Amino acid sequence: NAGVTQTPKFQVLKTGQSMTLQCAQDMNHEYMSWYRQDPGMGLRLIHYSVGAGITDQGEVPNGYNVSRSTTEDFPLRLLSAAPSQTSVYFCASSQRGGYNEQFFGPGTRLTVL
Amino acid sequence: SQKIEQNSEALNIQEGKTATLTCNYTNYSPAYLQWYRQDPGRGPVFLLLIRENEKEKRKERLKVTFDTTLKQSLFHITASQPADSATYLCARFSGGGADGLTFGKGTHLIIQP
Repeated sequence: NAGVTQTPKFQVLKTGQSMTLQCAQDMNHEYMSWYRQDPGMGLRLIHYSVGAGITDQGEVPNGYNVSRSTTEDFPLRLLSAAPSQTSVYFCASSQRGGYNEQFFGPGTRLTVL
Repeated sequence: SQKIEQNSEALNIQEGKTATLTCNYTNYSPAYLQWYRQDPGRGPVFLLLIRENEKEKRKERLKVTFDTTLKQSLFHITASQPADSATYLCARFSGGGADGLTFGKGTHLIIQP
């Protein structure tokens, strides 16, 4: 099993550009989520999904969109990138929800100029 | 909101000694606390989950305690090795309608040979 995979590993955007961060898992997990990690701060929940077709907001959802059309994939979209979105983004999945053991991807380091 | 506090200063421990990391939480006791390890440039890796009614949990050289009176969890690594050097994250279920985890900022552990 590949576990949780994320692409790209690194990305540089200009302010106002849009992009999609990809996340996929091959463990048949129902629950998937996105976190951002900034220096001096803990991981913060952006959006999560408890199954295909179901998504909800986390702690810091503004500026991000998500969709979940399949169990395997959970892409994160930045509609109009801002410098404040410079961060490392982690996707995670688990078998039974956000309270359970989370499997994290390797992360995407995003810089917005 | 539910908060998790970890000592953000680096912890230096001599090889072979026991390293003890602290995690304090606010407000009501979470049903679960989780501990993760994060190496530079990588995603967090799950280590242990302890439930509210479990005072202590062990896994090989790792031990976690949960004290609801002190609102604190302690994470111990016995017979520490340089390979244990990493950042250790404590997390609790976010609650409040968000199905995800609230993370502490992490403690950077350095095991010196």
